[in-house]
Amino acid sequence: KAGVTQTPRYLIKTRGQQVTLSCSPISGHRSVSWYQQTPGQGLQFLFEYFSETQRNKGNFPGRFSGRQFSNSRSEMNVSTLELGDSALYLCASSFAGTGGINEKLFFGSGTQLSVL
Amino acid sequence: AQSVTQLDSQVPVFEEAPVELRCNYSSSVSVYLFWYVQYPNQGLQLLLKYLSGSTLVKGINGFEAEFNKSQTSFHLRKPSVHISDTAEYFCAVIPAYGGATNKLIFGTGTLLAVQP
Repeated sequence: KAGVTQTPRYLIKTRGQQVTLSCSPISGHRSVSWYQQTPGQGLQFLFEYFSETQRNKGNFPGRFSGRQFSNSRSEMNVSTLELGDSALYLCASSFAGTGGINEKLFFGSGTQLSVL
Repeated sequence: AQSVTQLDSQVPVFEEAPVELRCNYSSSVSVYLFWYVQYPNQGLQLLLKYLSGSTLVKGINGFEAEFNKSQTSFHLRKPSVHISDTAEYFCAVIPAYGGATNKLIFGTGTLLAVQP
C-alpha cells in the first residue's frame, strides 16, 4: 500500500509569488490535514479536510488556503509569499479523521518550501 | 485551549545509556497524548499513545511513556538507546471529547542525539 505522497519535495520561490503544494493520501483515506513545521515552532496545524469539506482551521492568515478533491487528494495554496513562510509543510491522512485516537494517522515526508 | 511544552530542545546521550524526554501539557479538558518520531527527511511516525487505562504505555522500538495527571506530564523513556534512535521527537495532545478531528497540538520537539 503506497504511503502519503507529497509533491514537490523541494520548492524555491521568491517573496510575493504564490505556491501550490499537493498531497495524495493513502488509498481509501477520506481525511487530509496540513501542518507547518519550522525550527523552534514545531508543528502548527493549518487546516483539515474530510470528504471535500474543510472541517477545521488553524490560526493562519487568509493567504493560506486549501481544498480537497473528490478522490481525496488535497492541495494547499499560499499566496503572496513572505520570508516567514519558509518551512516544511507536512500532510497527514487517515480514514475517519479522528486524530489517531482509534485509527492510525499517516504523515507524508513533506514539501520543503524556501522563500527568498 | 491546549498547549504542549518540551523544555529540552536537544538531548545528547551516549549509546546504550538511558534517556528521558520530557513533555508537559496544559489543558482545561481531558486530552489524549501521543509521542511521534521524525527521522531525517521523513514524516512523523507514531511511537505510542495514551488514551486511558494503565498510565504506563509501551510503544515501538523499546520506548515507553508514563502519563502523570497530577503533574500534567507524559515523559518518554528508553532504558538503552542506539545510534539509530537519533531523531526528533514530538509530544502531542488532542482533546478527548473534541469530536472527530486531526487537529493535534504539538510541542516544539526534542532532538535526541545519540553519540557512540
